[in-house]
Amino acid sequence: DAGVIQSPRHEVTEMGQEVTLRCKPISGHNSLFWYRQTMMRGLELLIYFNNNVPIDDSGMPEDRFSAKMPNASFSTLKIQPSEPRDSAVYFCASSPHGQAGYGYTFGSGTRLTVV
Amino acid sequence: SQELEQSPQSLIVQEGKNLTINCTSSKTLYGLYWYKQKYGEGLIFLMMLQKGGEEKSHEKITAKLDEKKQQSSLHITASQPSHAGIYLCGADNFQTSYDKVIFGPGTSLSVIP
Repeated sequence: DAGVIQSPRHEVTEMGQEVTLRCKPISGHNSLFWYRQTMMRGLELLIYFNNNVPIDDSGMPEDRFSAKMPNASFSTLKIQPSEPRDSAVYFCASSPHGQAGYGYTFGSGTRLTVV
Repeated sequence: SQELEQSPQSLIVQEGKNLTINCTSSKTLYGLYWYKQKYGEGLIFLMMLQKGGEEKSHEKITAKLDEKKQQSSLHITASQPSHAGIYLCGADNFQTSYDKVIFGPGTSLSVIP
């Protein structure tokens, strides 16, 4: 299995631009998670999907952030408009439902820099 | 909400030395997970602890969960450069049935050859 695949690996964009991060979870995994990692705040859970349905988006910072999972093999995290404080590493993780932290497989992350 | 604290924040040790990283929860833990993150990469699952007093080992890494299930420690014996990275503890959000994990701030480990 290729694991959780995220793209792009690096993204540099100007403030105000729209940014779209992509994630392909492991086939058969029912749960998908988007995390954000910064030095100041550590690893924060942004949103969690189960069977393609958003279950908990309480971690999404504000309306500028949106996430979708149109099917079991693809998810996007969109920031519009982007701001310098959005600069972080964004991770996607997937797991078989019910196996929580034991079953998490993380992608390699997307390093976002907003200038 | 669940909060996890880790200590120390960072650690620099000589190769061959033993070390311990601690994780403390503000609430009783349902499940405690240890992950390792190599710099610039995603997290890799190490171990899961669920029972009070439980102890698990993998190669030279041992993790323990105290009886009250509010504190866990990760011990590395005879550290090697390959152990370098960031170690994060995570816990289930046991207040709901969701299987999401909240992570601690991490401990950065450097091992000097």
